[in-house]
This record gives sequence, structure tokens and C-alpha cells, in this order.
Amino acid sequence: DTGVSQDPRHKITKRGQNVTFRCDPISEHNRLYWYRQTLGQGPEFLTYFQNEAQLEKSRLLSDRFSAERPKGSFSTLEIQRTEQGDSAMYLCASSLGAGLDTGELFFGEGSRLTVL
Amino acid sequence: AQSVAQPEDQVNVAEGNPLTVKCTYSVSGNPYLFWYVQYPNRGLQFLLKYITGDNLVKGSYGFEAEFNKSQTSFHLKKPSALVSDSALYFCAVRGPENMLTFGGGTRLMVKP
Repeated sequence: DTGVSQDPRHKITKRGQNVTFRCDPISEHNRLYWYRQTLGQGPEFLTYFQNEAQLEKSRLLSDRFSAERPKGSFSTLEIQRTEQGDSAMYLCASSLGAGLDTGELFFGEGSRLTVL
Repeated sequence: AQSVAQPEDQVNVAEGNPLTVKCTYSVSGNPYLFWYVQYPNRGLQFLLKYITGDNLVKGSYGFEAEFNKSQTSFHLKKPSALVSDSALYFCAVRGPENMLTFGGGTRLMVKP
């Protein structure tokens, strides 16, 4: 499978615990995006990377959230001291990011977080 | 800043009938517009996009969308709905650095 993959697909945790999600983008894609989607809502932008550089962060990304893309390939999104309001689907997407790229994002299946 | 509005939370249509899911947008400059579909507990799947050219864009699974610049709309359409089309549909507009801004989504229910 050469699509975007995310792990884990589901995570249940207790309030106050830390969680980490991983995203593996399509291999030739330079850009990687994280979105958050709560039930019944559209995805909201969190952050994005061009190769290993984190170029944009939404105000939704509080200081409990950190994202990395250390080698410009996979990315991790860590949430520290989780709160019940963090319960959501975390979506990763990638795009070519150059040349003929016309903006289409390719999404993974998402990582659903439930904070008890 | 760009924005997208999907005025209908839900659209109900009988199988075999035509369907329309509405979307209006606001963006400075030329709009790059997208439709995505989401099935339960799944990620978003790309349906179609408007970049430039013909106002009627054809996409996956028989869907098409009509771009109307004067009405700033990009409605999703299909001539004959299938029960399997039932899902959540999102309209999106591209902003800087390819970031997509999504609408709130419209749930499409196709009844047999």
C-alpha cells in the first residue's frame, strides 16, 4: 500500500497521560499536514511541514501539542497531559509540494483519540 | 482569510434521483476548490477539484461539480444517486502553502 498510513488507528487514554501518533506520508511527497476533526465537524488545520521544517502552526496547537518530522519522512504528533477536549480524530495528509502539485491532499485513515 | 460554507447539514435523496450538495466559498484571488468524501471512521477521499478551465468538473464515482464565479459557489452534483453514496461530504478551498480550509460537512442520505 503506497498511501498515507497512520498509527495507531484508535487510542483510548486517561486524562493526564501523554499520547503519540505517527504518520507515514506517500514517499515522494514533500509536504505533510496534521488536521483535527471532532464529531460532526470539518477537519481543522493544526500544522504543516515542508520536508523536515515545520512552517505553520495553528492557534489550535496549544503548547501541550508538539509535532516533528525529523528526517523529512514520517511525522509524529504528541499530546502531553491529555484533556477530554482533545478527544478527536487526528488526520494526517501529504502532498507533492512542488512542480505540478495542484493542491490535492492525500489523507490517511486517521487516528481516533478518546480521553477518559 | 479563505472560508467555505456548506449551508445544509443533511441532504436526503431517493436512490436514482439527482443530488446536489451545496458549497459557497470566500477567497482572495483565483479559487482552488475541492470536494472530499468521508465514510464512517475513515479518512477523507478526494473526489474532484477545480483549478481553472471548464466550469463543470468531473470526478470520481460519477460525481461532478459546477463552479460559478459570480455566485462564488461550487456545488457537488450527481445525476443518479446510489445508496452507497451515503456519506459525509466536505467542500474545501486552498489557501497559502496548499493548506485546505474545509466546510462543516454535509451528510448525504440516499434512501432505497
